Amino acid sequence: ELKVEQNPLFLSMQEGKNYTIYCNYSTTSDRLYWYRQDPGKSLESLFVLLSNGAVKQEGRLMASLDTKARLSTLHITAAVHDLSATYFCAVAFGNDMRFGAGTRLTVKP
Amino acid sequence: EAQVTQNPRYLITVTGKKLTVTCSQNMNHEYMSWYRQDPGLGLRQIYYSMNVEVTDKGDVPEGYKVSRKEKRNFPLILESPSPNQTSLYFCASSSRHPYNEQFFGPGTRLTVL
Repeated sequence: ELKVEQNPLFLSMQEGKNYTIYCNYSTTSDRLYWYRQDPGKSLESLFVLLSNGAVKQEGRLMASLDTKARLSTLHITAAVHDLSATYFCAVAFGNDMRFGAGTRLTVKP
Repeated sequence: EAQVTQNPRYLITVTGKKLTVTCSQNMNHEYMSWYRQDPGLGLRQIYYSMNVEVTDKGDVPEGYKVSRKEKRNFPLILESPSPNQTSLYFCASSSRHPYNEQFFGPGTRLTVL
């Protein structure tokens, strides 16, 4: 069965702190995506990870992919309020795309 | 401006009344897809299309139909909507090579009474 699991589902952080969101998937894939969704809005692409060991960084966010462990991480460094949103990982299994349930991140002052 | 558009944005209808949600993209993308978003479930893929006249089922296709007669358009059809199809629907498109990220439409909030 094709499954994508994200942890945690809810995350409340203080500004300035670091944290990691985890995305596990059940079957071999070498294409993983991270998206951001603000309340009431559509999804916006953050990262595309296409190979084992891929690491991408944009501002305070860094994403990595370990295809052998079937694990991707989204690391948040020195969180700021503007990062409050829901973050989704999505994994491509052939032409099927499966999303995790999302991690709702709240950054508090 | 590169974009994916959906219409309508909001729709309230009754059980059994056929409806179509349109999706159009202006980026010449080959791949298009429909998702539904429900609380706690993330996004679930309904149907996708690799190119014109090529469509395939996603994770939750029951009760939905699609067509891809033109590259830019990918309408979602609910022949006989039921209340369990009340959801937020997103259309997305992407260039197939090299497996680029998807661009999402603004969403259509559908309520079936």
